[in-house]
Amino acid sequence: DAGVIQSPRHEVTEMGQEVTLRCKPISGHDYLFWYRQTMMRGLELLIYFNNNVPIDDSGMPEDRFSAKMPNASFSTLKIQPSEPRDSAVYFCASSLTGDLYFGPGTRLTVT
Amino acid sequence: AQSVTQPDIHITVSEGASLELRCNYSYGATPYLFWYVQSPGQGLQLLLKYFSGDTLVQGIKGFEAEFKRSQSSFNLRKPSVHWSDAAEYFCAVAGGTGFQKLVFGTGTRLLVSP
Repeated sequence: DAGVIQSPRHEVTEMGQEVTLRCKPISGHDYLFWYRQTMMRGLELLIYFNNNVPIDDSGMPEDRFSAKMPNASFSTLKIQPSEPRDSAVYFCASSLTGDLYFGPGTRLTVT
Repeated sequence: AQSVTQPDIHITVSEGASLELRCNYSYGATPYLFWYVQSPGQGLQLLLKYFSGDTLVQGIKGFEAEFKRSQSSFNLRKPSVHWSDAAEYFCAVAGGTGFQKLVFGTGTRLLVSP
C-alpha cells in the first residue's frame, strides 16, 4: 500500500482565499483524522471520522473550517476564507486497529 | 482530561551512546501510551505503544519504553543511537475513549553528534 496520501504537499495562498486539502487514507482503514501542527500549539486534533461519519469536530477552530468524507477513500479539509494564522502543517492520518498512520502533511502558508 | 509533558525540548547524544527521552502523563486511569517519531518533512511514524500487560514494550528501530504507573511516566530508550535516529519524538496519551483522541506532547528534538 502507498500509505496515506495528501495533496498538495505545499500550498501558498493569499488571505481570504479558499483552500482545500485532500487526503486518501490507507485502503481498509475505517478511521480518518485531521491534525494541525504549529510551533505554538503543537499537534492538535481537528476532527475525526469513523466509517465516513464525522464523530468529533470539537477541535475545529471555527466555522471557517469544514471537513468532509464523501467515501471511504477520500476526505477534504476546507478553509474559507483563509487567514494568516491558519498557516501550519496539516496532517491526515488513518487507522484500523488503533495505530495511526500519518500522511506526509500539507504545509499551508497564508500571506 | 489527559495531558502529556515532555520536559526536554532538545537532546544531543553522541552516536553509539544510549538514549532516554522523558515523558510524563496525566490521566486518572490506565492510559494508552504511544511514542511517535517525525523526521524532517515527514509525517509521524508509530514507534511503540502500551495498552496493558507487560510494562516494558518493544518497538521498531530498536526502541523500547517502560510504563511506570507510580511515576506517571513512559520514557523511551535506545541502547545505542545511530545518526539516522536524529528526528523529533512525540509522546502521546489516549484516555478512556481509546486511541481516537490522542493528546500529543510538545516533542523532543534529538540531535546525534558524530
